[in-house]
Parts: sequence; structure tokens; C-alpha cells
Amino acid sequence: EAQVTQNPRYLITVTGKKLTVTCSQNMNHEYMSWYRQDPGLGLRQIYYSMNVEVTDKGDVPEGYKVSRKEKRNFPLILESPSPNQTSLYFCASSDKGPRNTIYFGEGSWLTVV
Amino acid sequence: ILNVEQSPQSLHVQEGDSTNFTCSFPSSNFYALHWYRWETAKSPEALFVMTLNGDEKKKGRISATLNTKEGYSYLYIKGSQPEDSATYLCASLPNTNAGKSTFGDGTTLTVKP
Repeated sequence: EAQVTQNPRYLITVTGKKLTVTCSQNMNHEYMSWYRQDPGLGLRQIYYSMNVEVTDKGDVPEGYKVSRKEKRNFPLILESPSPNQTSLYFCASSDKGPRNTIYFGEGSWLTVV
Repeated sequence: ILNVEQSPQSLHVQEGDSTNFTCSFPSSNFYALHWYRWETAKSPEALFVMTLNGDEKKKGRISATLNTKEGYSYLYIKGSQPEDSATYLCASLPNTNAGKSTFGDGTTLTVKP
């Protein structure tokens, strides 16, 4: 089954404790992207990757890092999480770039206390 | 950051009504426009990817049109059903940075039986 898988789905963590949200897709897609969703602010793009070893900032990259060492994985790293990074995070992917259909993962609820 | 606006913010209709929403985006620098359907507790589901001025796409009772010269897209739902209740999002991708996407805040549709 074609899918985008995120882990963890739910996490409560403490300020400053580094965490990684993994994202994996099994569709051999070149394009992958991370978004966060906050009440009243809609979906905002954090980082995206057009292909392996190619990443770029979205609209809200501060406080996040990403890497794209292999095609299927695009982890989101919070080096020193803060409470303002409490949010619902979505990973997404598409074939040959975002001009094609983008498929979303199920979302990861992160709470930083 | 692009300014992508959706209207109305919310809409309540009776079952069987037809309805439409608007997505406005910067007309210069256009690359693609996406429409998504987002149900509560689920991930956004792609409806349409639109790239050419004058594009019209249809999926069942839902259709969309695109005007890139004036910077708007309409989403139509014919004969709304309760299962159409969801938030409908659009996202604009600019030509200069085709991996970047900016989402509108969505139109939340409630269809009453």
C-alpha cells in the first residue's frame, strides 16, 4: 500500500530535549515536505526537499533541521524544542515534484512542556 | 510569504444544495495550485492539482476551475451530502521556488441532513 509514515504519532516532551520525527514514503517520490498546523494559522511549510541531498527552507524553518540522505526518508529534527513548537506536524511527498499530487502522512502531535 | 486567501471561512448548507468556494493567490509567478479535502482527525487528501490557465477538473460531484491571469480558483460541490463536510484547503506554488507551497486557511463546509 502506498503511504507516507510518520513516527511518533503522539509525543509529549520537555523543553530542550532533542527529538526527531521520522518520515518515510514507499512510493519512490522525489519531493518531500514538512508542514505544521496551528489553530488559526493553517498549514505552514517548514522545509522541503526536491530530491536526495537537496533541501530548502519553507516559510517557518526556525528551530528545525532536516536531512535527505536517502530518497524514502525525510526526518524532521528539533535540536532544542521549545513550547512554541507544540503543534500538529505533517510530512508529505509527491512524484517528480509538487506539480503532481501530494500525499500526506497521518500527522504527528507534538507537545513541548 | 505568498498571500493565499480563501473565502468564505465557513459555510453551512443543507443536503442537496450546491456550493462553491474561492481561493485567491498572487497571479504573477504562478506554478501550480492544489486543492485538498481535510476531515477532522485525518490527513489532508488531494483533490486536484491545477497548472494551466483555464483548467477545469472534476471528480464526482466536485469540480474546480483555475484563472491564473487574475489569480483565483473556484471549487464547486454539486448536490452537497453530509459526507462532504470537511475543510477545503488550497495551496499555491510559486514559479520562482517551485518546491515552496503556501496554504490558505481553508473553508470549512458543514452539510446538514
